[in-house]
Amino acid sequence: GAVVSQHPSRVICKSGTSVKIECRSLDFQATTMFWYRQFPKQSLMLMATSNEGSKATYEQGVEKDKFLINHASLTLSTLTVTSAHPEDSSFYICSAEWKAGEKLFFGSGTQLSVL
Amino acid sequence: GENVEQHPSTLSVQEGDSAVIKCTYSDSASNYFPWYKQELGKGPQLIIDIRSNVGEKKDQRIAVTLNKTAKHFSLHITETQPEDSAVYFCAASIGAGNMLTFGGGTRLMVKP
Repeated sequence: GAVVSQHPSRVICKSGTSVKIECRSLDFQATTMFWYRQFPKQSLMLMATSNEGSKATYEQGVEKDKFLINHASLTLSTLTVTSAHPEDSSFYICSAEWKAGEKLFFGSGTQLSVL
Repeated sequence: GENVEQHPSTLSVQEGDSAVIKCTYSDSASNYFPWYKQELGKGPQLIIDIRSNVGEKKDQRIAVTLNKTAKHFSLHITETQPEDSAVYFCAASIGAGNMLTFGGGTRLMVKP
C-alpha cells in the first residue's frame, strides 16, 4: 500500500511554544490530506481537511488560528499547534488520499505532550 | 452528518476462535466502509474495505459484510492469533477518498 510518513513521532514542549508536525506522502501525490486528533482510548476525530494550494477546511469547534495547516505541495502537509497548552496534548494523525476517489492511508501519528 | 456506532467496545477471544465486530451508520449516502487496525502508539492501518455495490469481501482470515438496507456492516476475523490483538475501527464515508467518520473502536484481545 501507499506510504504516509509523519514526523515527529513524539514531541514534548513547554506551554506557550509552537509545534510543527509534518505529513508526507512518500510514493504518491496527495491532493487532499486530513488531520485527526485522538485522545487516549477514544476514536479519531477529524480536525481539518487540507487541500493542496488552498486554505484548509476546519471542522466545527476546531480553532483555525490555533491549528495552522499548510499544504504547500502535493506530498507535504503541515500542522502547527500554536501557543500550545496542556489541553492540546493528544495523538495527532494525518491521512492522505491515495488517488482521487480511492482509499486513505494514515501516518504513524505524533504524540504531543505539552508541559 | 454521519454517525457511526461500533460494538462491542471490548472483545476477548481465545486463540483460534472467531471474532465479530459490528457497526451501524446513519447516512444512507455513505458508500465506502473501511476497517482499520490500530496498535498502541501507531496510526491506523487499513486492513479491508468494502464499497456499497458489494455485499461481502474476503481477504484470507478477514471478511467484511455489508447490509445496505439495515445500514450495518461487520468485520469477521477467523482463526484469531495473538498478533490480531489491537484496537479496530470501522468507518464510513461518501466516496472512498473523502473524510471518514469513525466508530468508537473495539479493543480485541486474543488470549493464547
